[in-house]
Amino acid sequence: GEQVEQRPPHLSVREGDSAVITCTYTDPNSYYFFWYKQEPGASLQLLMKVFSSTEINEGQGFTVLLNKKDKRLSLNLTAAHPGDSAAYFCAVSAATNAYKVIFGKGTHLHVLP
Amino acid sequence: NSKVIQTPRYLVKGQGQKAKMRCIPEKGHPVVFWYQQNKNNEFKFLINFQNQEVLQQIDMTEKRFSAECPSNSPCSLEIQSSEAGDSALYLCASSLRQDSDYTFGSGTRLLVI
Repeated sequence: GEQVEQRPPHLSVREGDSAVITCTYTDPNSYYFFWYKQEPGASLQLLMKVFSSTEINEGQGFTVLLNKKDKRLSLNLTAAHPGDSAAYFCAVSAATNAYKVIFGKGTHLHVLP
Repeated sequence: NSKVIQTPRYLVKGQGQKAKMRCIPEKGHPVVFWYQQNKNNEFKFLINFQNQEVLQQIDMTEKRFSAECPSNSPCSLEIQSSEAGDSALYLCASSLRQDSDYTFGSGTRLLVI
């Protein structure tokens, strides 16, 4: 079945620097991709949902890139600030099993002031 | 504030005890998912429903859990005989369709001692 690998597991950056988190997936027919943010003790907050037809997706303070050829999804926080410190999870909707999504193992981002 | 309401927030049970948690999905969302997030932040899909019908569930859920989503009542997930390995955050999510983005609840953190 679909497998999702997320890197890095931990990331520390200085305020104002960019932070890049990457997920690779195995099912070439995957068609929905999600990025979630989870602050300590809180639930998952949807940052962006991406369709397989859109390669570049702009959010507020971040960009999500989808490379279907390489089966890679990335989240790029362009100028990180301390409020971005959280765990980030990618998730992929498996085309062969559309009733559930597969999550990456998460990246703990720490933005230093 | 999440539109998916999960109760209780925390649950402490002894091994062998039943552990029951509830979820009120976002209004109008017929699809409900349960996930288990372990201490390593790994997500395990447990079961999902569309209206009152189970769509999919994993083996563990079928054997050890009791879950339902009755109409006009909260959905529930109950471990019939808790084990130490069940200690985790249990997340409920709902969506409009199986391919929509999910709205997650804040979770029920279960500790089995």
